[in-house]
Amino acid sequence: EAGVAQSPRYKIIEKRQSVAFWCNPISGHATLYWYQQILGQGPKLLIQFQNNGVVDDSQLPKDRFSAERLKGVDSTLKIQPAKLEDSAVYLCASSLDRRAFFGQGTRLTVV
Amino acid sequence: AQSVSQHNHHVILSEAASLELGCNYSYGGTVNLFWYVQYPGQHLQLLLKYFSGDPLVKGIKGFEAEFIKSKFSFNLRKPSVQWSDTAEYFCAAYNNNDMRFGAGTRLTVKP
Repeated sequence: EAGVAQSPRYKIIEKRQSVAFWCNPISGHATLYWYQQILGQGPKLLIQFQNNGVVDDSQLPKDRFSAERLKGVDSTLKIQPAKLEDSAVYLCASSLDRRAFFGQGTRLTVV
Repeated sequence: AQSVSQHNHHVILSEAASLELGCNYSYGGTVNLFWYVQYPGQHLQLLLKYFSGDPLVKGIKGFEAEFIKSKFSFNLRKPSVQWSDTAEYFCAAYNNNDMRFGAGTRLTVKP
């Protein structure tokens, strides 16, 4: 089966610029997660969707981060404006039965 | 708040040595447990999972893990590691729509 698709793979932006990441989950997976993985740390949950509704966004810095999942399929994560500490790999995962399948991630570097 | 702890940050072993990576979780009640592996330059992949039943679970590539409820632990083991096992290993716990990861353990296997 096709995996979780993410784009872009890499992004370099200057601080205070905005950036958006895209995720296409595995077909039929109702649950979609966005994680932030800072170098040397485990993935940290940013937001979780069930279909197109938000289940948990308690760790999402809402002053600069936003995410949406229109029609319960694809999702976008946006950062505006970016800070240096946002440099990380942003992982999208989808699941059907509690097992999460991850995409390759987007490596963001903020300079 | 629920959390997952991995005891070892970096483990260095020679080929054929035995491996045990520690993982503890702080959830009460029913919990599903996972070990994910991230090979250099690749995305997170599921190694094994525990949902219920036999507390000794076997995964891919000769890995196994034992769920000990009384100790809130889910340690990963492999009797004889190979150079190709060099990777980052993440323990994760799922409870009530909440999935959390440990900080990860980097395993380096010397040929």
